[in-house]
Amino acid sequence: SQQGEEDPQALSIQEGENATMNCSYKTSINNLQWYRQNSGRGLVHLILIRSNEREKHSGRLRVTLDTSKKSSSLLITASRAADTASYFCAITGANSKLTFGKGITLSVRP
Amino acid sequence: SAVISQKPSRDICQRGTSLTIQCQVDSQVTMMFWYRQQPGQSLTLIATANQGSEATYESGFVIDKFPISRPNLTFSTLTVSNMSPEDSSIYLCSVATGTGGYNEQFFGPGTRLTVL
Repeated sequence: SQQGEEDPQALSIQEGENATMNCSYKTSINNLQWYRQNSGRGLVHLILIRSNEREKHSGRLRVTLDTSKKSSSLLITASRAADTASYFCAITGANSKLTFGKGITLSVRP
Repeated sequence: SAVISQKPSRDICQRGTSLTIQCQVDSQVTMMFWYRQQPGQSLTLIATANQGSEATYESGFVIDKFPISRPNLTFSTLTVSNMSPEDSSIYLCSVATGTGGYNEQFFGPGTRLTVL
């Protein structure tokens, strides 16, 4: 399976701290995308990183990709209570289909 | 990005009935997909909705249970047929901008289905 696997499964931090979430996968990929989901609602697209990229930034988000280790990380800096959500990584492989990891539950305490 | 709407946003249905979920996109897109998210789980791809031809289903999903229509490049429907409580899930449509697997995939707000 080329499924992405996030870790940790759950993360609890204080507001203002940084949150780091990791994703590992098993096969070659075209790109990797991170999503946020609040309370079982729709998925919000956060960022896409292509297989030939190593790092991307978007506001308080920083994503890295290490294709040699088949892993990616999502860093949220200066976290806020509104960042409380589930975060998913999803990989696109040679078949162009999106395969999701199990997700990470992030709780940011005010 | 693409703006995607789904109807209904939620529904409670009786066992044995069917529900059709609509997905509307604000622009023409080549690739549309339907996903299922069972309670507390991640997302699983049901099928790729192909415009003008039959949908392509993933392993474990069949057309008789999840018939899909895609009459044009901005609209698709997913029907959950002969429902059972195990079908209680969030159903999401998504679209990929462009082709080739290098583009972002955006999701609708989801339809929360509860089957009694």
